[in-house]
Amino acid sequence: GNSVTQMEGPVTLSEEAFLTINCTYTATGYPSLFWYVQYPGEGLQLLLKATKADDKGSNKGFEATYRKETTSFHLEKGSVQVSDSAVYFCALSSGSSYKLIFGSGTRLLVRP
Amino acid sequence: SQTIHQWPATLVQPVGSPLSLECTVEGTSNPNLYWYRQAAGRGLQLLFYSVGIGQISSEVPQNLSASRPQDRQFILSSKKLLLSDSGFYLCAWSVLWGEATGELFFGEGSRLTVL
Repeated sequence: GNSVTQMEGPVTLSEEAFLTINCTYTATGYPSLFWYVQYPGEGLQLLLKATKADDKGSNKGFEATYRKETTSFHLEKGSVQVSDSAVYFCALSSGSSYKLIFGSGTRLLVRP
Repeated sequence: SQTIHQWPATLVQPVGSPLSLECTVEGTSNPNLYWYRQAAGRGLQLLFYSVGIGQISSEVPQNLSASRPQDRQFILSSKKLLLSDSGFYLCAWSVLWGEATGELFFGEGSRLTVL
């Protein structure tokens, strides 16, 4: 079945460091891929998405490229800020049922 | 614009007591509706989803139930809470057809503590 695997956290970085959070997936067909962010005590917000192979999603300095050949959708940011501290979830759509399958989440902590 | 609200935001309940969490969506029609649970330090678990009034699909056998009495209302219930029901519950909606790509829009969450 469809699944998403994320790197385990927490990931601790200093401000202005480069960020990579790995995400790989297993899916039949051609899923859409998403990154969601959850700030402390809040619900999830969509950060970026990509709907087909080689698409690059980007938002707020974050980027992720849909790589079908490696079944990956790694999240990157060139220079993180303290305000980026949150839990990041990778997810894929499950075809016509519109269910999202989430990874386990990766906590990011950015220190000043 | 579309909005989603769920309440209560925080709830502390004794073991064996009933539960009712409510979620409403405004500004859209015929949405898919979802209940997810996030246990402490863990990922998101899909509990229920609904594609229409009165239609509920359960993903995980458990002590909880869901109902959809109106198009944009989704309710999560339990007759007798267990300690293991503690967690952060998230309601979400998505577009049913058309240009949808599976994107979900989440509510603010309801934190349930069972003592």
